[in-house]
Amino acid sequence: SYEVTQALSVSVAPGQTARITCGGNNIGDTNVYWFQQRAGQAPILVLYRDSSRPSGIPARFSGSNSGNTATLTISGAQDADEATYYCQVWDRTKWLFGGGTKLTVL
Amino acid sequence: QVQLQESGPGLVKPSQTLSLTCSVSGGSLTRGIYYWSWIRQPAGKGLEWIGHISGSGGDSNYNPSLKSRVNISVDASKNTFSLRLTSVTAADTAVYFCARDWAGGNGMDVWGQGAAVMVSS
Repeated sequence: SYEVTQALSVSVAPGQTARITCGGNNIGDTNVYWFQQRAGQAPILVLYRDSSRPSGIPARFSGSNSGNTATLTISGAQDADEATYYCQVWDRTKWLFGGGTKLTVL
Repeated sequence: QVQLQESGPGLVKPSQTLSLTCSVSGGSLTRGIYYWSWIRQPAGKGLEWIGHISGSGGDSNYNPSLKSRVNISVDASKNTFSLRLTSVTAADTAVYFCARDWAGGNGMDVWGQGAAVMVSS
């Protein structure tokens, strides 16, 4: 069955660029969704269909998807961006979530 | 603006059935091209999709790992959808979220705040 993999953690200095990746076999052929989950809160959709931002999501969140890797990029990371980020794909008849990447802003 | 709210028992005994309801406010559950999902998250772990159902109730999909124990249904008259998970064990202890899922590909854009369920005798 299909699997998507994420690094456990990423660190970024305030104001710098964070890149969080989601790996999967030919993941570039499918739409990838990204969620942000702060501690104790429900997830929030930050990107859909690889790179589109829902209303209210800051422009510093962007995405790309090609080959075997999808990437969520946070440009000019802020303290408020510290959270766990999950990628998600649709695999035939089910949704799959990646294991999540904890982003630390330090 | 659509909002979702989970409700149900916070404690379920092993081997019994977990039942949760998601109330939809600010819009009709049956209107539009939406599916309605359940997702769970054990403490300190990642998200696991349980399954979803169309607003009409006519189409549903389930996580194969849970399919034999799960049923999701819609009550249009109450504007709610529900989750039933049978034969629960401690491994089913988690926070359960409901979410709106655009069938058109715009993703799970609205989530409930989550309901904590513990399976324990």
